[in-house]
Amino acid sequence: DAKTTQPTSMDCAEGRAANLPCNHSTISGNEYVYWYRQIHSQGPQYIIHGLKNNETNEMASLIITEDRKSSTLILPHATLRDTAVYYCIVRGGKTSYDKVIFGPGTSLSVIP
Amino acid sequence: DAGVIQSPRHEVTEMGQEVTLRCKPISGHDYLFWYRQTMMRGLELLIYFNNNVPIDDSGMPEDRFSAKMPNASFSTLKIQPSEPRDSAVYFCASSSPLGQGVDIQYFGAGTRLSVL
Repeated sequence: DAKTTQPTSMDCAEGRAANLPCNHSTISGNEYVYWYRQIHSQGPQYIIHGLKNNETNEMASLIITEDRKSSTLILPHATLRDTAVYYCIVRGGKTSYDKVIFGPGTSLSVIP
Repeated sequence: DAGVIQSPRHEVTEMGQEVTLRCKPISGHDYLFWYRQTMMRGLELLIYFNNNVPIDDSGMPEDRFSAKMPNASFSTLKIQPSEPRDSAVYFCASSSPLGQGVDIQYFGAGTRLSVL
């Protein structure tokens, strides 16, 4: 069963911030939100994860709402190389090592 | 570390032939995963191992598929006999839990299988 819903596709102008939303209304208290991306013809790549607080690393920022029912991945200055499918995944707790469910994700196109 | 290494990168075979895909996980990782990706079904988990032991193979499509992990640094996914509907990209991933329920998977580049 899908735990997350994401828009099918999005466009973003090069150099602008890309904001990718994800709904996870059934998330439980001990589950983390993970983001991966898959550039064409490559394997999925981990981007970032979070539990409650907002997180930032060298690739992106993750904003999680206070009720934890949704989150947004932010690529602050999108480049053409950020064109990829972005997957939002929820998992954790005592079933931390349970199956990772990859839904269809959001296909992000960065436009020159 | 070189990351997760898969071989071959591309495999073309004829229906009925045996196919063996190989994976070398990241050193020190104790979980290994095999995924299959197709346009129709997306990315599906086939099987995963913990400390070389298969934990969940419920995603394996049928008895023609088998996976082994004889040691911590090597795993194989075998299809025998292969069929055209097995054509897909097969990914291997490995991970090591970071504590507090956090687990980040690192994926290989994949093997693109074409069964004619």
